[in-house]
Amino acid sequence: QVQLLQSGAEVKKPGASVKISCTASGYTFSNFAIHWVRQAPGQRLEWMGWINAGTGSTRYSQNFQGRVTIVRDTSANTAYIELSGLTSEDTAVYFCARDCTGDKCRSHYDYWGQGTLITVSS
Amino acid sequence: DIQMTQSPSSLSASVGDRVIITCRASQTITNCLNWYQQRPGKAPRLLIYTTSTLQDGVPSRFSGSGSGTDFTLTISSLQPEDFATYYCQQGCSVPRTFGQGTKVDI
Repeated sequence: QVQLLQSGAEVKKPGASVKISCTASGYTFSNFAIHWVRQAPGQRLEWMGWINAGTGSTRYSQNFQGRVTIVRDTSANTAYIELSGLTSEDTAVYFCARDCTGDKCRSHYDYWGQGTLITVSS
Repeated sequence: DIQMTQSPSSLSASVGDRVIITCRASQTITNCLNWYQQRPGKAPRLLIYTTSTLQDGVPSRFSGSGSGTDFTLTISSLQPEDFATYYCQQGCSVPRTFGQGTKVDI
């Protein structure tokens, strides 16, 4: 069965960086994309970016002004997101989600990770 | 960016009720509209994609319709496990954007 397993919760100081992993199983990792979405307390879901796990190509939300980097390790079936310059406004649950790729793809997130809570506090 | 606006933001309903949630996009998104259900403390769950396609394993009481800029999610007969927050999302362009959510409670 398809699963996305994320790394555990972390507490970070303002100005620090955080790197979250998302390890896929149950499907061919390189045939899909991984998107990252976060949710601050009581807020709506916010899209951060995505990576084509096969080609490695990425797209990011401009809302993060260059603070976000997404990479993947195909040998480990794992995608990572790194967010730098953390502030208290980055306190949120971060999710990875699987999406299709290719010309016939109509984007939708059919599997999600369990979420990773990142708390930014001095 | 395409703005997604849901209405209502919250509603109270009873088991067996028919519930309709609407989602409006700030520009046309053809049929690139997905619906997710989120229970407290859990990851979102895909219910419907490309406006009206039911995801595998999702009960048939859920249905979606619409086109262009206006879309609806209908729950034909609300069940106890359906009390949750529902989000629409457009999948046409980057950045992907979500509605603010509709909380369905008793």
